Amino acid sequence: AQSVTQLGSHVSVSEGALVLLRCNYSSSVPPYLFWYVQYPNQGLQLLLKYTTGATLVKGINGFEAEFKKSETSFHLTKPSAHMSDAAEYFCAVSDRLGSSNTGKLIFGQGTTLQVKP
Amino acid sequence: SQTIHQWPATLVQPVGSPLSLECTVEGTSNPNLYWYRQAAGRGLQLLFYSVGIGQISSEVPQNLSASRPQDRQFILSSKKLLLSDSGFYLCAWSKNRDRGLNSPLHFGNGTRLTVT
Repeated sequence: AQSVTQLGSHVSVSEGALVLLRCNYSSSVPPYLFWYVQYPNQGLQLLLKYTTGATLVKGINGFEAEFKKSETSFHLTKPSAHMSDAAEYFCAVSDRLGSSNTGKLIFGQGTTLQVKP
Repeated sequence: SQTIHQWPATLVQPVGSPLSLECTVEGTSNPNLYWYRQAAGRGLQLLFYSVGIGQISSEVPQNLSASRPQDRQFILSSKKLLLSDSGFYLCAWSKNRDRGLNSPLHFGNGTRLTVT
Protein backbone atom coordinates (compact mmCIF):
# COMPACT_ATOMS: atom_id res chain seq x y z
CA ALA A 1 0.00 0.00 0.00
CA GLN A 2 1.04 3.58 -0.47
CA SER A 3 0.92 6.16 2.29
CA VAL A 4 2.15 9.58 3.26
CA THR A 5 3.14 10.84 6.69
CA GLN A 6 3.52 14.51 7.50
CA LEU A 7 5.65 15.08 10.58
CA GLY A 8 4.23 17.83 12.73
CA SER A 9 0.63 18.95 12.53
CA HIS A 10 1.64 22.54 13.39
CA VAL A 11 4.77 24.45 12.44
CA SER A 12 5.46 28.01 13.54
CA VAL A 13 8.16 30.23 12.03
CA SER A 14 9.01 33.90 12.13
CA GLU A 15 8.58 36.05 9.06
CA GLY A 16 11.75 35.81 6.99
CA ALA A 17 12.82 32.49 8.48
CA LEU A 18 13.27 29.21 6.66
CA VAL A 19 10.16 27.10 6.17
CA LEU A 20 10.58 23.33 6.36
CA LEU A 21 7.56 21.05 6.20
CA ARG A 22 8.30 17.35 6.39
CA CYS A 23 6.76 14.57 4.36
CA ASN A 24 7.73 10.91 4.21
CA TYR A 25 6.14 8.40 1.90
CA SER A 26 5.79 4.68 1.64
CA SER A 27 5.45 3.12 -1.79
CA SER A 28 6.43 -0.14 -3.44
CA VAL A 29 6.52 1.55 -6.85
CA PRO A 30 8.22 4.77 -7.94
CA PRO A 31 6.00 7.45 -6.43
CA TYR A 32 4.40 10.52 -7.93
CA LEU A 33 4.41 13.13 -5.18
CA PHE A 34 2.57 16.41 -4.73
CA TRP A 35 2.35 19.33 -2.35
CA TYR A 36 -0.85 21.33 -2.01
CA VAL A 37 -1.70 24.46 -0.02
CA GLN A 38 -5.10 25.27 1.44
CA TYR A 39 -6.13 28.69 2.68
CA PRO A 40 -9.07 28.92 5.12
CA ASN A 41 -12.39 27.88 3.63
CA GLN A 42 -10.91 27.33 0.21
CA GLY A 43 -10.01 24.37 -1.94
CA LEU A 44 -6.52 22.99 -2.37
CA GLN A 45 -4.05 24.60 -4.74
CA LEU A 46 -1.18 22.69 -6.30
CA LEU A 47 2.24 23.98 -5.21
CA LEU A 48 4.46 21.51 -7.01
CA LYS A 49 4.77 17.92 -8.13
CA TYR A 50 7.43 15.30 -8.67
CA THR A 51 7.04 12.52 -11.20
CA THR A 52 10.37 11.67 -12.81
CA GLY A 53 13.57 13.46 -13.66
CA ALA A 54 15.12 16.22 -11.58
CA THR A 55 14.74 15.49 -7.88
CA LEU A 56 14.64 19.14 -6.86
CA VAL A 57 11.29 20.53 -7.87
CA LYS A 58 10.43 24.21 -7.87
CA GLY A 59 6.87 25.36 -7.38
CA ILE A 60 4.83 28.49 -7.03
CA ASN A 61 5.26 31.18 -4.37
CA GLY A 62 8.96 30.40 -3.92
CA PHE A 63 8.46 26.88 -2.59
CA GLU A 64 10.53 23.89 -3.59
CA ALA A 65 10.79 20.25 -2.59
CA GLU A 66 13.43 17.60 -2.98
CA PHE A 67 12.70 13.96 -3.66
CA LYS A 68 15.10 11.74 -1.72
CA LYS A 69 14.56 8.11 -2.49
CA SER A 70 17.09 6.90 0.08
CA GLU A 71 15.19 8.73 2.82
CA THR A 72 11.72 8.21 1.31
CA SER A 73 11.15 11.90 1.83
CA PHE A 74 9.71 14.84 -0.06
CA HIS A 75 10.14 17.81 2.28
CA LEU A 76 8.83 21.23 1.31
CA THR A 77 11.01 24.29 1.87
CA LYS A 78 11.01 28.02 1.33
CA PRO A 79 14.04 30.16 2.19
CA SER A 80 12.12 33.08 3.66
CA ALA A 81 8.61 32.90 5.08
CA HIS A 82 6.06 35.54 4.31
CA MET A 83 2.92 36.29 6.29
CA SER A 84 0.84 35.21 3.30
CA ASP A 85 2.33 31.70 3.56
CA ALA A 86 0.22 30.97 6.63
CA ALA A 87 -2.03 28.11 5.55
CA GLU A 88 -2.42 24.35 5.72
CA TYR A 89 -0.13 22.24 3.58
CA PHE A 90 -0.79 18.74 2.34
CA CYS A 91 1.61 16.20 0.93
CA ALA A 92 0.13 13.54 -1.35
CA VAL A 93 1.16 10.49 -3.33
CA SER A 94 -0.59 9.24 -6.44
CA ASP A 95 -2.24 5.87 -5.95
CA ARG A 96 -0.53 3.80 -8.60
CA LEU A 97 -1.35 0.44 -7.11
CA GLY A 98 -5.09 0.44 -7.71
CA SER A 99 -6.23 -1.86 -10.49
CA SER A 100 -8.19 0.88 -12.18
CA ASN A 101 -5.31 3.37 -12.24
CA THR A 102 -7.57 6.29 -11.63
CA GLY A 103 -4.97 8.80 -10.55
CA LYS A 104 -6.39 9.06 -7.05
CA LEU A 105 -4.28 10.91 -4.53
CA ILE A 106 -3.54 9.71 -1.02
CA PHE A 107 -3.10 12.67 1.29
CA GLY A 108 -1.19 13.20 4.48
CA GLN A 109 -2.93 14.64 7.51
CA GLY A 110 -1.76 18.15 6.77
CA THR A 111 0.54 20.65 8.47
CA THR A 112 -0.66 24.06 9.56
CA LEU A 113 1.99 26.73 9.03
CA GLN A 114 1.87 29.76 11.29
CA VAL A 115 4.02 32.77 10.41
CA LYS A 116 4.76 35.19 13.22
CA PRO A 117 5.60 38.83 12.54
CA SER B 1 -8.33 27.12 -19.43
CA GLN B 2 -10.12 24.71 -17.16
CA THR B 3 -12.30 25.76 -14.25
CA ILE B 4 -14.23 23.87 -11.62
CA HIS B 5 -17.33 25.14 -9.90
CA GLN B 6 -18.84 23.89 -6.68
CA TRP B 7 -22.01 25.03 -4.97
CA PRO B 8 -23.29 26.00 -2.56
CA ALA B 9 -20.35 27.41 -0.64
CA THR B 10 -22.01 26.86 2.73
CA LEU B 11 -25.00 24.83 3.79
CA VAL B 12 -26.77 24.21 7.09
CA GLN B 13 -29.15 21.29 7.08
CA PRO B 14 -31.12 19.49 9.81
CA VAL B 15 -30.54 15.84 10.60
CA GLY B 16 -32.66 13.62 8.38
CA SER B 17 -32.94 16.10 5.52
CA PRO B 18 -31.71 15.33 1.97
CA LEU B 19 -28.51 16.67 0.43
CA SER B 20 -27.42 17.57 -3.06
CA LEU B 21 -24.05 19.15 -3.81
CA GLU B 22 -23.12 19.88 -7.37
CA CYS B 23 -19.81 20.20 -9.13
CA THR B 24 -19.14 21.08 -12.75
CA VAL B 25 -15.94 21.33 -14.76
CA GLU B 26 -15.38 23.53 -17.78
CA GLY B 27 -12.69 23.57 -20.43
CA THR B 28 -11.88 19.87 -20.55
CA SER B 29 -13.54 16.66 -21.64
CA ASN B 30 -13.74 13.21 -20.07
CA PRO B 31 -12.11 14.22 -16.81
CA ASN B 32 -11.72 12.00 -13.78
CA LEU B 33 -13.89 13.43 -11.02
CA TYR B 34 -13.57 13.09 -7.26
CA TRP B 35 -15.41 13.92 -4.06
CA TYR B 36 -13.30 14.36 -0.93
CA ARG B 37 -14.41 15.18 2.59
CA GLN B 38 -12.30 17.09 5.04
CA ALA B 39 -13.30 16.79 8.67
CA ALA B 40 -11.68 19.02 11.27
CA GLY B 41 -8.16 17.82 12.00
CA ARG B 42 -8.57 14.66 9.93
CA GLY B 43 -7.07 15.44 6.55
CA LEU B 44 -8.79 14.55 3.30
CA GLN B 45 -10.80 11.40 2.81
CA LEU B 46 -11.69 10.25 -0.70
CA LEU B 47 -15.41 9.45 -0.87
CA PHE B 48 -16.09 8.76 -4.54
CA TYR B 49 -14.39 8.93 -7.87
CA SER B 50 -15.58 8.61 -11.44
CA VAL B 51 -13.71 7.86 -14.66
CA GLY B 52 -16.72 8.37 -16.93
CA ILE B 53 -20.44 9.05 -17.21
CA GLY B 54 -22.40 6.73 -14.95
CA GLN B 55 -19.23 5.16 -13.56
CA ILE B 56 -18.96 5.69 -9.81
CA SER B 57 -16.60 4.04 -7.37
CA SER B 58 -17.10 4.34 -3.65
CA GLU B 59 -14.10 4.37 -1.37
CA VAL B 60 -15.80 4.05 1.99
CA PRO B 61 -19.22 2.81 3.10
CA GLN B 62 -21.34 5.71 4.20
CA ASN B 63 -24.57 7.58 4.12
CA LEU B 64 -23.72 9.34 0.86
CA SER B 65 -23.97 8.56 -2.83
CA ALA B 66 -22.62 10.13 -5.99
CA SER B 67 -23.80 10.37 -9.56
CA ARG B 68 -22.34 11.58 -12.84
CA PRO B 69 -25.22 12.31 -15.18
CA GLN B 70 -23.08 14.26 -17.65
CA ASP B 71 -19.41 14.18 -18.62
CA ARG B 72 -18.46 17.22 -16.57
CA GLN B 73 -21.05 17.09 -13.80
CA PHE B 74 -20.60 15.30 -10.49
CA ILE B 75 -23.25 15.26 -7.78
CA LEU B 76 -22.98 14.22 -4.14
CA SER B 77 -26.24 13.23 -2.47
CA SER B 78 -27.81 11.87 0.65
CA LYS B 79 -31.39 10.85 1.37
CA LYS B 80 -31.10 11.49 5.11
CA LEU B 81 -28.24 13.43 6.62
CA LEU B 82 -26.52 12.40 9.84
CA LEU B 83 -24.67 14.63 12.27
CA SER B 84 -21.47 12.86 11.26
CA ASP B 85 -21.91 14.07 7.67
CA SER B 86 -20.81 17.55 8.72
CA GLY B 87 -17.57 18.63 7.09
CA PHE B 88 -15.93 20.41 4.22
CA TYR B 89 -16.65 18.73 0.89
CA LEU B 90 -14.28 19.19 -1.98
CA CYS B 91 -14.78 18.29 -5.61
CA ALA B 92 -11.75 17.78 -7.82
CA TRP B 93 -10.90 16.78 -11.37
CA SER B 94 -7.88 15.42 -13.16
CA LYS B 95 -7.01 14.41 -16.67
CA ASN B 96 -8.17 10.88 -17.38
CA ARG B 97 -5.88 7.92 -16.97
CA ASP B 98 -5.08 7.68 -20.66
CA ARG B 99 -3.16 10.91 -20.32
CA GLY B 100 -0.88 9.68 -17.59
CA LEU B 101 -1.06 8.97 -13.91
CA ASN B 102 0.94 12.03 -12.94
CA SER B 103 -1.86 14.45 -13.64
CA PRO B 104 -2.50 16.49 -10.51
CA LEU B 105 -5.92 17.05 -8.99
CA HIS B 106 -7.55 20.45 -9.38
CA PHE B 107 -9.91 21.36 -6.59
CA GLY B 108 -13.04 23.44 -6.31
CA ASN B 109 -13.50 25.92 -3.48
CA GLY B 110 -15.48 23.46 -1.38
CA THR B 111 -18.82 23.34 0.43
CA ARG B 112 -18.98 23.76 4.19
CA LEU B 113 -21.81 21.49 5.37
CA THR B 114 -23.13 21.74 8.91
CA VAL B 115 -25.74 19.21 9.98
CA THR B 116 -27.69 20.36 13.04
